[in-house]
Amino acid sequence: QQQVKQSPQSLIVQKGGISIINCAYENTAFDYFPWYQQFPGKGPALLIAIRPDVSEKKEGRFTISFNKSAKQFSLHIMDSQPGDSATYFCAATAGSYIPTFGRGTSLIVHP
Amino acid sequence: DAGVIQSPRHEVTEMGQEVTLRCKPISGHDYLFWYRQTMMRGLELLIYFNNNVPIDDSGMPEDRFSAKMPNASFSTLKIQPSEPRDSAVYFCASRGTGVLEQYFGPGTRLTVT
Repeated sequence: QQQVKQSPQSLIVQKGGISIINCAYENTAFDYFPWYQQFPGKGPALLIAIRPDVSEKKEGRFTISFNKSAKQFSLHIMDSQPGDSATYFCAATAGSYIPTFGRGTSLIVHP
Repeated sequence: DAGVIQSPRHEVTEMGQEVTLRCKPISGHDYLFWYRQTMMRGLELLIYFNNNVPIDDSGMPEDRFSAKMPNASFSTLKIQPSEPRDSAVYFCASRGTGVLEQYFGPGTRLTVT
């Protein structure tokens, strides 16, 4: 059973555009929602994270939007750059801090 | 700190052979995780340890897979015998108590022919 559903599986965006990746969860016990970024040949690395007591968190060009009632959260990358081309994983954790990962989204930003 | 260290980075082996993957977590981290990444299934948690003790191995696919953590600075994931469907990238990750962020190693790309 996939507890965190991520879409789309792949995404192609032009330089300067907005990239949007969506995730949905079912377990209401989840209380921490990180996004990891993975470049080819590397391990995933934490990009940005949010707790459900806020609806939005912004760090530079990266923003997480969180909708607790809908059990959905999304990553927005503003002014997307070719260097943002990577695989992005959403995740959700409960009290044990063991993350449940989404399937990942392969983002390609064309110059 | 050098981060999480994994070896080898690439492993090519024949079906039926034993494969051992190695991991050195970040010093001071007391949680260690083994993941498998494939195109079909994404990132799967295989097993995790806390203070060198296996806590949850429900993600280990079969008895052919085993993992050990003899001390705080070393862990192994062994596959015996290996099969072509085990081909994947295997990641080790670690984190400290009360810390939410996991730190991943660079991974081991395993190819079983």
